Amino acid sequence: GQQLNQSPQSMFIQEGEDVSMNCTSSSIFNTWLWYKQDPGEGPVLLIALYKAGELTSNGRLTAQFGITRKDSFLNISASIPSDVGIYFCAGQLGGYGGSQGNLIFGKGTKLSVKP
Amino acid sequence: NAGVTQTPKFQVLKTGQSMTLQCAQDMNHNSMYWYRQDPGMGLRLIYYSASEGTTDKGEVPNGYNVSRLNKREFSLRLESAAPSQTSVYFCASRRGQGASRAEAFFGQGTRLTVV
Repeated sequence: GQQLNQSPQSMFIQEGEDVSMNCTSSSIFNTWLWYKQDPGEGPVLLIALYKAGELTSNGRLTAQFGITRKDSFLNISASIPSDVGIYFCAGQLGGYGGSQGNLIFGKGTKLSVKP
Repeated sequence: NAGVTQTPKFQVLKTGQSMTLQCAQDMNHNSMYWYRQDPGMGLRLIYYSASEGTTDKGEVPNGYNVSRLNKREFSLRLESAAPSQTSVYFCASRRGQGASRAEAFFGQGTRLTVV
């Protein structure tokens, strides 16, 4: 099936640092979503992107819908300890019927605090 | 706002036992989904219901059945549990399958162990 390549798989952050992660695919997507999952919880939606080139912010988080429609990026500025968790990207290929409407998820980027 | 509610939160089953995971949403969403989450595998779609009265297989449907009881409720049944079904199960809902309504909202998950 379709796959999203999310990178990096994991990273360590120090408070105050900026963080970047991305998702890429060989397919064109109509929608990109970014989620965060805390331990023992379900994924929570952070940002939704619907147009190529769109840049959307949610507090210290900024996400972009790539111009090629095959990728998306998430940046976290001035990280704080509560930013730790797993971040997932999800994309939708488009179409209103059948499995084309389902979301495809990346495998996640795990953010941890530097020891 | 309850959003998406899953029960139970934790469950231990013996191999061969059956059980039903319950999910209800109060957002008047048309589409509902069941995912499983395993380490390193991301979120994989088991079954989905694009609208009330319809259900379809996702990426990993074997060993599971679903029922869309009404617009609010979507249950997942394991008829004969196997250790390979040890996982965290998430229910999600969306307004619909169309690209303009892609945002999915997740429950808190059911942590299932099959021994």
